[in-house]
Amino acid sequence: DAGITQSPRHKVTETGTPVTLRCHQTENHRYMYWYRQDPGHGLRLIHYSYGVKDTDKGEVSDGYSVSRSKTEDFLLTLESATSSQTSVYFCAISESGRGYPHEQYFGPGTRLTVT
Amino acid sequence: QQQVKQSPQSLIVQKGGISIINCAYENTAFDYFPWYQQFPGKGPALLIAIRPDVSEKKEGRFTISFNKSAKQFSLHIMDSQPGDSATYFCAAKVGNNRKLIWGLGTSLAVNP
Repeated sequence: DAGITQSPRHKVTETGTPVTLRCHQTENHRYMYWYRQDPGHGLRLIHYSYGVKDTDKGEVSDGYSVSRSKTEDFLLTLESATSSQTSVYFCAISESGRGYPHEQYFGPGTRLTVT
Repeated sequence: QQQVKQSPQSLIVQKGGISIINCAYENTAFDYFPWYQQFPGKGPALLIAIRPDVSEKKEGRFTISFNKSAKQFSLHIMDSQPGDSATYFCAAKVGNNRKLIWGLGTSLAVNP
């Protein structure tokens, strides 16, 4: 894994509680992404960031918010967790510009269960 | 609406056989087509990628075939091995847009 850590790696929480997942990178890449992965749905983009304090919504952003106050950290918050948000969450990073490939590098994932 | 349609959803191949996974797209502005490989419990990782100015790209046992007129691209795994058992995702993107459009994935099992 290209210098990306996610915490926690596993979490069980109750419906209605707020949850924050953290993605930390040591690559100094500009772009960061949060995906969720569910059987039959592939990878779905929740939010992404194109710089510090610059974020935008993905295709499944309802019920989620993000923050990026430093280049290396991208936080995903479930404001009031629901059972439908039980999933595996992946963070990814990428960089742009001459010499950089278009590749996205993924973290190890966080398995979240909402009971 | 799925912009990149991937098939089959699952695939079982015997060791030594050829695994073929197909993807079709509609947006002719797509100009970068990667394949990602994901092992259980891990994040996806780039396997191989192609641009539409070439019809084929080969890296070891893995080959991407690209048919621009048909708007299709496929991944071929030659001499498939049990260690190739994983989920494979195709994807596409447009220009400098940093977002990838993903297929739904294919679960490949290679029997020994």
